[in-house]
Amino acid sequence: NAGVTQTPKFQVLKTGQSMTLQCAQDMNHEYMSWYRQDPGMGLRLIHYSVGAGITDQGEVPNGYNVSRSTTEDFPLRLLSAAPSQTSVYFCASSLDRVRNEQFFGPGTRLTVL
Amino acid sequence: AQTVTQSQPEMSVQEAETVTLSCTYDTSESDYYLFWYKQPPSRQMILVIRQEAYKQQNATENRFSVNFQKAAKSFSLKISDSQLGDAAMYFCAYRSRDNNDMRFGAGTRLTVKP
Repeated sequence: NAGVTQTPKFQVLKTGQSMTLQCAQDMNHEYMSWYRQDPGMGLRLIHYSVGAGITDQGEVPNGYNVSRSTTEDFPLRLLSAAPSQTSVYFCASSLDRVRNEQFFGPGTRLTVL
Repeated sequence: AQTVTQSQPEMSVQEAETVTLSCTYDTSESDYYLFWYKQPPSRQMILVIRQEAYKQQNATENRFSVNFQKAAKSFSLKISDSQLGDAAMYFCAYRSRDNNDMRFGAGTRLTVKP
């Protein structure tokens, strides 16, 4: 099992550019989520999905879109990058949304100039 | 919305000694889950220990144990026999049972001195 994989590991964007952060898991987990980590603030939930075709907003969803066409993949899209989106992004998955352990990907460090 | 507070931005401990990291949270729910995650310099988030709010018994995992005080909304992590590999950022997290909300504290950076 590869677990949770994220690509790319690092990315630099210019303001206004768009990009997609990829996330995939091979554990057949129903629940997947995206977090951002900023200095001094811990992790904050951006969007989550409880299964293929079902997504919902977390604590800080503005500026991000997600979709879940398959159980394995959960991409995060930045439509028009802003400097405030400079952060480290983590994808996570678990068997269900509450009890089971969340497995985290290695993170993507994004810088928006 | 639930909030999680870690009041110690940094802590240090001597190797082989015991250290306790503090965490408090605010919620109106009665059923929820609490977690401690470790983040070493590699940036990987690693689950250390988990506590279910409806269980009165404090969770333990080898050298890691918690002191869960539900009425006080306190969830501290005790690390016994500290090892150099324990040096990392530690995050306390709250997960609601009724919705998909998950909140993290700001973290405590633990240094282990040889």
